[in-house]
Amino acid sequence: QSVLTQPHSVSGAPGQRVTISCTGSSSNIGAGYDVHWYQQLPGTAPKLLIYSKNNRPSGVPDRFSGSKSGTSASLAITGLQAEDEADYYCQSYDISLSVYVFGGGTKVSVL
Amino acid sequence: EVQLVESGGGLVQPGGSLRLSCAASGFTFSNYWMTWVRQAPGKGLEWVANIKQDESEKYYVDSVKGRFTISRDNAKNSLYLQMNSLRAEDTAVYYCATVVATGTWYFDYWGQGTLVTVSS
Repeated sequence: QSVLTQPHSVSGAPGQRVTISCTGSSSNIGAGYDVHWYQQLPGTAPKLLIYSKNNRPSGVPDRFSGSKSGTSASLAITGLQAEDEADYYCQSYDISLSVYVFGGGTKVSVL
Repeated sequence: EVQLVESGGGLVQPGGSLRLSCAASGFTFSNYWMTWVRQAPGKGLEWVANIKQDESEKYYVDSVKGRFTISRDNAKNSLYLQMNSLRAEDTAVYYCATVVATGTWYFDYWGQGTLVTVSS
């Protein structure tokens, strides 16, 4: 059971928009800690995708965007492409547990 | 180009020990906090430990406290994870990563990982 809750999977057709939710609590996201997102392509290491709500490292397409409200955050992928098939993880910090926490991961499938 | 290369993984019996290494290049290693994150087979990511640039601060997830020790050698641009009293539940791919610690904390560069299997 992850501290941050993500849907197990989401899917969409090429070109569509999909969103991935990340639900936390008052001891992590709701406490004001930033949410960051990672993409893990099949068989590879995670890669930083979005940091501090909605900042993209160099090389990450602007099709990826993040947002945060209250105790939740979301990752949106617009203009879905086949290469976006991957697992996506949100990450924050939990003040009660004193640990960096990840969501359980969401598998994105392109139909 | 930033590179992180982990090594030292393998098969070990329960109760055994293993030392993981992470060789860093392409950036000023001594300027960064560093971290270990693991991923059990088919599972999600779990933060394991962090270490400050000068080793003055080290933090661990509860499940490894007293068993794992994170360390670094800035002269060798290397990060280590000494793992003792290993358990089956420690079986995972272990990734080292750089930490951005500027009021917010996230992991910006990752290695390819090294697999640790704890089994008899």
